[in-house]
Amino acid sequence: KNEVEQSPQNLTAQEGEFITINCSYSVGISALHWLQQHPGGGIVSLFMLSSGKKKHGRLIATINIQEKHSSLHITASHPRDSAVYICAVPNYGGSQGNLIFGKGTKLSVKP
Amino acid sequence: EPEVTQTPSHQVTQMGQEVILRCVPISNHLYFYWYRQILGQKVEFLVSFYNNEISEKSEIFDDQFSVERPDGSNFTLKIRSTKLEDSAMYFCASSEIGVFTDTQYFGPGTRLTVL
Repeated sequence: KNEVEQSPQNLTAQEGEFITINCSYSVGISALHWLQQHPGGGIVSLFMLSSGKKKHGRLIATINIQEKHSSLHITASHPRDSAVYICAVPNYGGSQGNLIFGKGTKLSVKP
Repeated sequence: EPEVTQTPSHQVTQMGQEVILRCVPISNHLYFYWYRQILGQKVEFLVSFYNNEISEKSEIFDDQFSVERPDGSNFTLKIRSTKLEDSAMYFCASSEIGVFTDTQYFGPGTRLTVL
């Protein structure tokens, strides 16, 4: 069974700052998911990546498969980025998309 | 853009009662999932479903839980005899294919409160 650790647990930033959220996992995987949970509770899939780097707007996700580590970066952060960011990985040994979730990083961006 | 929908948004029930949470996955998706999130805790996998049968389930998904795809569009989670500890947000998700490299699309969730 995979274990997922995220850091930091809470993060407060000023608008415009560069944000980094980290995720590490215990068992080798083929892909990792980054999700955003809005203050209202809804969950949105941001990235799914299996190697290297992906970019979408101001969001960048990187993964190092050998080190079992991924980072989510937000450039030029904005108050609307305030949310919980969750890393999820397959429960290795599962076969149909069973995901194990991290506890999440609560990001608050102040204007 | 297609989306996963869930009803109701909030369900309040008495302990011991049966509840059915409903989900409409994205129409061309083949894999369906239920997750739950107890307030203040992390999201947890409950069950995955494909081709009209359970593909995988977690330890949480015991005999009081069941899932069904009663028609071509709905996907339901039934909790037979609710307990206080079943109070949580329940999320449905769907994906086109059910492998690790496939994006799952989440519904807005149903908040279940058991009194």
